[in-house]
Amino acid sequence: ELKVEQNPLFLSMQEGKNYTIYCNYSTTSDRLYWYRQDPGKSLESLFVLLSNGAVKQEGRLMASLDTKARLSTLHITAAVHDLSATYFCAAPIFGNEKLTFGTGTRLTIIP
Amino acid sequence: EPEVTQTPSHQVTQMGQEVILRCVPISNHLYFYWYRQILGQKVEFLVSFYNNEISEKSEIFDDQFSVERPDGSNFTLKIRSTKLEDSAMYFCASSERVGGEQYFGPGTRLTVT
Repeated sequence: ELKVEQNPLFLSMQEGKNYTIYCNYSTTSDRLYWYRQDPGKSLESLFVLLSNGAVKQEGRLMASLDTKARLSTLHITAAVHDLSATYFCAAPIFGNEKLTFGTGTRLTIIP
Repeated sequence: EPEVTQTPSHQVTQMGQEVILRCVPISNHLYFYWYRQILGQKVEFLVSFYNNEISEKSEIFDDQFSVERPDGSNFTLKIRSTKLEDSAMYFCASSERVGGEQYFGPGTRLTVT
């Protein structure tokens, strides 16, 4: 069974600071997803990481994947209030369709 | 841009009642999924569906749950006799191909009283 763990669970950071959210998964997977969820809303796809060493950037967010370490990171650069949300990583077992989600990281950006 | 739609956005029902949650996946997608999220918790997989049959289901998806694609566009989740613990946000998702990105609908908030 695939387990996906995120840390931290809660993150409160000041505007303008940098921080990283970590996502570990327990068994071989061929891709890793990051989603953003605003309160009461659906899951917005941020990144799809498909191979070892993959790095993707969109605005102040950058995601990377290390399949050997079974680790993905979501790096936030110079945080702004609009980034306040809950961020989930998710992965399928290799060759499977079912996504296993991490516990989520609730990010709060303080002015 | 094509998107997954779900109805209703919020459903309130009494314990023991049957509910049907509806989803319209993106039109050229072939793989369909239901997930749920209990308030404040992580998203959990319920079931995947392809070629008019269930391809995988979780332990949560017991005999009280069923899925159907009654026509060419809708994908439904039925809960036969709802329990209090079924209260959650239910998300439908679809993907174009095996291993393809899953696109999520806006969700149906189910409240069982």
